[in-house]
Amino acid sequence: DQQVKQNSPSLSVQEGRISILNCDYTNSMFDYFLWYKKYPAEGPTFLISISSIKDKNEDGRFTVFLNKSAKHLSLHIVPSQPGDSAVYFCAAPLLQGAQKLVFGQGTRLTINP
Amino acid sequence: DTGVSQDPRHKITKRGQNVTFRCDPISEHNRLYWYRQTLGQGPEFLTYFQNEAQLEKSRLLSDRFSAERPKGSFSTLEIQRTEQGDSAMYLCASRRTGGPSTDTQYFGPGTRLTVL
Repeated sequence: DQQVKQNSPSLSVQEGRISILNCDYTNSMFDYFLWYKKYPAEGPTFLISISSIKDKNEDGRFTVFLNKSAKHLSLHIVPSQPGDSAVYFCAAPLLQGAQKLVFGQGTRLTINP
Repeated sequence: DTGVSQDPRHKITKRGQNVTFRCDPISEHNRLYWYRQTLGQGPEFLTYFQNEAQLEKSRLLSDRFSAERPKGSFSTLEIQRTEQGDSAMYLCASRRTGGPSTDTQYFGPGTRLTVL
């Protein structure tokens, strides 16, 4: 049961343009979402988060949008830079017990010069 | 910057050997998690400690896996009689217990295990 889904395995964007990464979830109990960025051979690095009481959170070039009715969130990166090339994971903590993170499969973003 | 650290970063072993990985969490974090990531997938939960108590284990954690956090600080993950299917990136994460602002888990660099 894939509770968090990232349906695009890869995305290629021109430098300076907007990158939009999408994530869907099925568990309506999720109330907090996180985006992580991962370079090869490194651990995931926390990027930005959003609580379910908000529909938008912005941090510099990164903005996350949450549409609860559609169970959909997206990460916007503007403007995209070559250093943004990485795998991006969407994740949500389960509310009960360990509050472990449930991750999507990831989207590999490539920024072309 | 005292983030989460893991050792070793890479481990190559032969099938049937035992391996042990270490994780040092962020010092004030009392929750520690182990995850495993295979190619093309997101990290998957293995086990969780609150202080020294191991409170939850995934069904992914077979009998050959054991984890400890003896003094509520660093943790070890041991895999006995390794199999080729154990090849993966093993990730450790830590966080504080608290309200929504502390729901962020911070990850270490991972240990890449290759079983030949």
